[in-house]
Amino acid sequence: LAKTTQPISMDSYEGQEVNITCSHNNIATNDYITWYQQFPSQGPRFIIQGYKTKVTNEVASLFIPADRKSSTLSLPRVSLSDTAVYYCLVGDKNDMRFGAGTRLTVKP
Amino acid sequence: NAGVMQNPRHLVRRRGQEARLRCSPMKGHSHVYWYRQLPEEGLKFMVYLQKENIIDESGMPKERFSAEFPKEGPSILRIQQVVRGDSAAYFCASSPFIDRQGNTEAFFGQGTRLTVV
Repeated sequence: LAKTTQPISMDSYEGQEVNITCSHNNIATNDYITWYQQFPSQGPRFIIQGYKTKVTNEVASLFIPADRKSSTLSLPRVSLSDTAVYYCLVGDKNDMRFGAGTRLTVKP
Repeated sequence: NAGVMQNPRHLVRRRGQEARLRCSPMKGHSHVYWYRQLPEEGLKFMVYLQKENIIDESGMPKERFSAEFPKEGPSILRIQQVVRGDSAAYFCASSPFIDRQGNTEAFFGQGTRLTVV
């Protein structure tokens, strides 16, 4: 299981784009990259998943370079309600081990 | 389709008692994961189960903790002889059959907050 490294915390302001980078130098060929969001006192919620290049959905974009040793979750125009902890998971599709996550605080 | 249901939402146990936490996965989901989370910390993986099988229990403490996912009924996380250090939020997640095509999204319940007094 590839170990992941994320910043512990990030601050942003409403309306800005936020990019959270996750390092996973030991990613394996079969591993996918998945991001979850967790609000206080709630279970995590799936945001996006990708294998390579770029993936976009209605919530976020995920950028994965060719070597796949890192990935970047991009949240466009954040609002106060995006304040949460964001987790990067790397592994095959059965792997669901969470790291410490990145605590994003969006300020007005 | 109801989401992942965990009950009870809050559970208080005295030291030495048993705690049973239930998780009903989403309809059609055959994979269940259990996690423990302490305040201000990340989710710690405990166990991964499929129907009637424990696939990975590497995150479970060796003693007092057990989990099952029977053919019928919810998944159960059982903690025997609870101690104060077991106080935490316990989350479960479920996912459907893992298919290499397309996204694999796991759905989480609201958690059970266990307090040991």
